[in-house]
Amino acid sequence: GIQVEQSPPDLILQEGANSTLRCNFSDSVNNLQWFHQNPWGQLINLFYIPSGTKQNGRLSATTVATERYSLLYISSSQTTDSGVYFCAVEKETSGSRLTFGEGTQLTVNP
Amino acid sequence: NAGVTQTPKFQVLKTGQSMTLQCAQDMNHEYMSWYRQDPGMGLRLIHYSVGAGITDQGEVPNGYNVSRSTTEDFPLRLLSAAPSQTSVYFCASSFSLNRGAYSNEQYFGPGTRLTVT
Repeated sequence: GIQVEQSPPDLILQEGANSTLRCNFSDSVNNLQWFHQNPWGQLINLFYIPSGTKQNGRLSATTVATERYSLLYISSSQTTDSGVYFCAVEKETSGSRLTFGEGTQLTVNP
Repeated sequence: NAGVTQTPKFQVLKTGQSMTLQCAQDMNHEYMSWYRQDPGMGLRLIHYSVGAGITDQGEVPNGYNVSRSTTEDFPLRLLSAAPSQTSVYFCASSFSLNRGAYSNEQYFGPGTRLTVT
């Protein structure tokens, strides 16, 4: 199956700092999503981005499908950004059989 | 819309007991999936369904059973609970057609925290 590697595994920031999270995957994919798991365990879909670039407020994501990686950018971080960020991929498009990376644990200190 | 709902939120079982985790979605999604999340790890796929009456195995299906009699519901059954099944279980749904466009984003329920003693 597809292997998904996320880096860094842990990241500690001061409020207001910017960060870049990386996701490498071992095979071509037609579905790539970024999720945020908040400290209460809820998984929130941030981006559906099998290729290209998207932005949503302070967050943006870029996937370079030909080079098999995706980046999640967080600008002007806030304490509410804390949690675990997961990248998940699938060879098909459906989203029903996602393979997850192990996540990046982000802590934003005030 | 309530989105994806799961019950119960917490459950403690003894080894050998059986139970059913409930999952429902009201977004008219075709696809539904069950994942488990163990401490410090990402989610792993247990079973999934691409429509009513159709189910298939994921990465870690042993010890679990599913059925999909309606589009809305996708229960997960633990046949004989074991301590190795202690985990947080997430149900998710995806794939809908809205105004001529397909949406492949996956939406997750709040999770069920299961402990098997």
